[in-house]
Amino acid sequence: GQSLEQPSEVTAVEGAIVQINCTYQTSGFYGLSWYQQHDGGAPTFLSYNALDGLEETGRFSSFLSRSDSYGYLLLQELQMKDSASYFCAVRQLSGYSTLTFGKGTMLLVSP
Amino acid sequence: DGGITQSPKYLFRKEGQNVTLSCEQNLNHDAMYWYRQDPGQGLRLIYYSQIVNDFQKGDIAEGYSVSREKKESFPLTVTSAQKNPTAFYLCASSATGTESYEQYFGPGTRLTVT
Repeated sequence: GQSLEQPSEVTAVEGAIVQINCTYQTSGFYGLSWYQQHDGGAPTFLSYNALDGLEETGRFSSFLSRSDSYGYLLLQELQMKDSASYFCAVRQLSGYSTLTFGKGTMLLVSP
Repeated sequence: DGGITQSPKYLFRKEGQNVTLSCEQNLNHDAMYWYRQDPGQGLRLIYYSQIVNDFQKGDIAEGYSVSREKKESFPLTVTSAQKNPTAFYLCASSATGTESYEQYFGPGTRLTVT
């Protein structure tokens, strides 16, 4: 089976940089995705890493290391609106390539 | 505007009743998914469908049923057999194949069963 571990909560101040880690155990997967979900809202896609290394999309970057079974989401120049839950998800190799999600990390940004 | 709609946003039912949640997409996606989310939890896959008239059980399919008669629609029925149906239900869609890592989610239906 697959399992993903993320910290349950992270706090930071506006303007800072924060890193949300995701460690996983899986027999094989295509890549690691990141989603953002504001309270009570729909998750929205942020980033995807199919290969090892860093992917940058504006203020957000995501990193994957398959050898370490580890990835992270890096948020720079934090804004209050970044307060949300962030989920990592692996796209499975087997069957229909569904996503398996972690339990999410709640990010609280304070002034 | 393309997107996914779910209705209703809030739904209340008495225990023992079946209830059907609606999900429609106009993104021309072949794949559709249903997830359940409980407080402080991630998204758990209930059912998914890659093509019309075909669907597969996810990790927590017991007590749920689906149909996929049209590409645009993937309704979920929460049956009376589901032991703990109160939850936030999210529908999603995606392309198939190499682009399936990006799923588009609807606004969700919050179901309360008493």
